Amino acid sequence: GAGVSQSPRYKVAKRGQDVALRCDPISGHVSLFWYQQALGQGPEFLTYFQNEAQLDKSGLPSDRFFAERPEGSVSTLKIQRTQQEDSAVYLCASSSTGRALSYEQYFGPGTRLTVT
Amino acid sequence: AQSVSQHNHHVILSEAASLELGCNYSYGGTVNLFWYVQYPGQHLQLLLKYFSGDPLVKGIKGFEAEFIKSKFSFNLRKPSVQWSDTAEYFCAVIPYNTDKLIFGTGTRLQVFP
Repeated sequence: GAGVSQSPRYKVAKRGQDVALRCDPISGHVSLFWYQQALGQGPEFLTYFQNEAQLDKSGLPSDRFFAERPEGSVSTLKIQRTQQEDSAVYLCASSSTGRALSYEQYFGPGTRLTVT
Repeated sequence: AQSVSQHNHHVILSEAASLELGCNYSYGGTVNLFWYVQYPGQHLQLLLKYFSGDPLVKGIKGFEAEFIKSKFSFNLRKPSVQWSDTAEYFCAVIPYNTDKLIFGTGTRLQVFP
């Protein structure tokens, strides 16, 4: 079946613009995660949803970052007033159970955001 | 803070050489451990995982990893690498009762024929 998809794959934004990144998880997956991967680093956790509930947003770096999953499937990560330090690859992952503790997270291809 | 350390940032090997990539984590409680791989131009995918039981776990493509609790380590091994193993390898942990994967910085492996 189809894997996790993300759009757009590449996004160039001028500093101060707002951007919206979309994630389509694997159909039926309960859990959805967003990660940020800076150049030369490993992915860093941003936020986690179980169905439509955002259970953990401790990794969001500032109040300019906002994520939602209103119907428990597609999710959008929004970044307001983008800054150069927001340049990174944003990864989405989904998993099939309510707790990610013991189950595999399936990753999408990521959206590469470049802020100029 | 909880962290994962990968000591080898870039490893270059010839085909048929043996591989060991180091991974240490700083978390005193129960953890679940993972190795992910990212082949050039592809998504992150799971290589292997440890939850409990036998500390020597086997994954896809001939990879294995050993959990040594006393050393807080989960090193990845492969007896004989192939050119197709060229990729970036990430160690990750999920501390017990949390939901977030904590990744290391990754090790870039290049295998030359």
